[in-house]
Amino acid sequence: KNEVEQSPQNLTAQEGEFITINCSYSVGISALHWLQQHPGGGIVSLFMLSSGKKKHGRLIATINIQEKHSSLHITASHPRDSAVYICAVEADKLIFGTGTRLQVFP
Amino acid sequence: KAGVTQTPRYLIKTRGQQVTLSCSPISGHRSVSWYQQTPGQGLQFLFEYFSETQRNKGNFPGRFSGRQFSNSRSEMNVSTLELGDSALYLCASSLAYLGGGANVLTFGAGSRLTVL
Repeated sequence: KNEVEQSPQNLTAQEGEFITINCSYSVGISALHWLQQHPGGGIVSLFMLSSGKKKHGRLIATINIQEKHSSLHITASHPRDSAVYICAVEADKLIFGTGTRLQVFP
Repeated sequence: KAGVTQTPRYLIKTRGQQVTLSCSPISGHRSVSWYQQTPGQGLQFLFEYFSETQRNKGNFPGRFSGRQFSNSRSEMNVSTLELGDSALYLCASSLAYLGGGANVLTFGAGSRLTVL
């Protein structure tokens, strides 16, 4: 079993839909990161969480340390949100989930 | 402020050769960590350097090595290249070392290595 499990692997949405991506982990962590990767490879850090909830624009990230679970929500999705979203947990190294490929259609 | 700079962006090598990749972190960042991304294995941690010391290493053979200089710039080297080393190599920089606290990571654009 992978130390970081992410779901779903693929997600298709219509513009305006509410989207949720889930991440579960089985190791002790100091923080959890949500990353975005567009075609071409560049990775952008969206959130770093050690507890609670963070919001940035239409993006919301939550973490439940006791349940070892985090969610990334996108409200009012837009085609420019199309990308791969990656959950990574931080211990003395980063351990990555397999990523969620999101496509948002107009 | 300038971001994380990786060079070269693209390179092609043949089996048996060696390659050196460079990563210049954000000014003031003392941690540089390296990652390999392949379609089959996804993103995997290679190693982290903090204040010129390797703090941790992932599950990769000894052909993969690195170092960090006093200005925090880091290089990674892969010797005796194999076809399976073809990948996107990414580095990230941060103020604190991994696991050392609330760490915002900034990634470089990556170096895409093709081994023929």
